[in-house]
Amino acid sequence: QSALTQPASVSGSPGQSITISCTGTSTDVGAYNYVFWYQQHPDKAPELIIYDVSNRPSGVSFRFSGSKSGNTASLTISGLQAEDEADYYCSSYTSSSTSHWVFGGGTKLTVL
Amino acid sequence: VQLVESGGGLVQPGGSLRLSCVASEFTVSSNYMSWVRQAPGKGLEWVSVLYSGGDIYYADSVKGRFTISRDNSKNTLYLQMNNLRPDDTALYYCATSTPVLKRYYPFDVWGQGTMVTVSA
Repeated sequence: QSALTQPASVSGSPGQSITISCTGTSTDVGAYNYVFWYQQHPDKAPELIIYDVSNRPSGVSFRFSGSKSGNTASLTISGLQAEDEADYYCSSYTSSSTSHWVFGGGTKLTVL
Repeated sequence: VQLVESGGGLVQPGGSLRLSCVASEFTVSSNYMSWVRQAPGKGLEWVSVLYSGGDIYYADSVKGRFTISRDNSKNTLYLQMNNLRPDDTALYYCATSTPVLKRYYPFDVWGQGTMVTVSA
């Protein structure tokens, strides 16, 4: 069981917007703004697409946006494109004395 | 910045392996360096971190069995894995952050991963 809870799958049609939720606790998502989102295509390493809740690394499309409310973070992808079909993982840096980073179980995005 | 892992393979339960992660255009001692693993068809799991100052932490699932270390002269991060179990079977990634983002604690630099299979 993953530390952060994400839906197993979401889907949308090209051009639409989708949102993926990520629920944690007051010791991880709710504690800091150290919330991240990663995109992983099949047989590829994960790629950071959001850091610090809502910031995009250089080169990441403006169509990806992040937000947080309490213990729940969200990733929104607008103007869905076929290339967005991938697995998405949320993650948080935590105040736990053991697990310094936690991940969600991942969400499979299908572009219909 | 590039990370290249090696050392994976097939090992019997109870066996040992040492993974290596060589960094290019980057100094392993200058930032936090982590191992993150992904079991086949499963999600990501953080395994261990070695901070630039030398602090070390492990996930509960590997504590007491795995040891993270670095060799600054070789610019290499290691993960010594002992008493391996079948549920340790996974693709092991070395991960860190670029200097620009490190204060936010993301993993924006990943290796390609090295596969560890624990099976009789």
